[in-house]
Amino acid sequence: QVQLQESGPGLVKPSETLSLICTVSGASMNTSFWNWIRQPPGKGLEWIGYIHYSGGTHYHPSLKTRVTISVDTDKKQFSLKLTSVTPADTAVYYCASTSLFGEGDFDYWGQGTLVTVSS
Amino acid sequence: SYELTQPPSVSVSPGQMARITCSGDALSKQHAYWYQQKPGQAPVVVIYKDNERPSGIPERFSGSTSGTTVTLTISGVQAEDEADYHCQSADSSGSYHVIFGGGTKLTVL
Repeated sequence: QVQLQESGPGLVKPSETLSLICTVSGASMNTSFWNWIRQPPGKGLEWIGYIHYSGGTHYHPSLKTRVTISVDTDKKQFSLKLTSVTPADTAVYYCASTSLFGEGDFDYWGQGTLVTVSS
Repeated sequence: SYELTQPPSVSVSPGQMARITCSGDALSKQHAYWYQQKPGQAPVVVIYKDNERPSGIPERFSGSTSGTTVTLTISGVQAEDEADYHCQSADSSGSYHVIFGGGTKLTVL
């Protein structure tokens, strides 16, 4: 069974860098695109970007100057770094997969982790 | 860039039909996906590629499309269907990226 688990600090200070890791189990890293998606409290979902196991990335245009997604296939992890955060970056951050051989949907999700940006 | 627009809320009585719409120019070019999200949980796909239902999703969930609007229909709504529903597509007008609607809260009266 495929499982994704986010980990990282729940509190980040303004202007600092938000860093999260997603650990994958039950799937090979070469079978999916690996995504980060966030959801501000009480609001809708926002796609941040994805990484392919080869290291190729694609980011949301509104965030691409602040976002870096990387992958460590040996550890079966991929990570998110978001620089220069503000309170507007406060959200539940999800990692999710999109199968390379599937229907294009986000088929597996982590449980999500709340990151609060506050001094 | 494209946006997807959903009504903030829809209310229906148990056993009735619920329709949730999602509108946007992207939908005439890219497939739509629908996700159900219950409080404190991650979203789950209930419709993919406009009108396909994943295995394990009840038959009362269906999707349709017409031009720049897609519709999620839940026939014979049950109390357990109360949730937020998010539509998703892709913006291919410039740099390709995934887009979501703002979400619709379905309330079962």
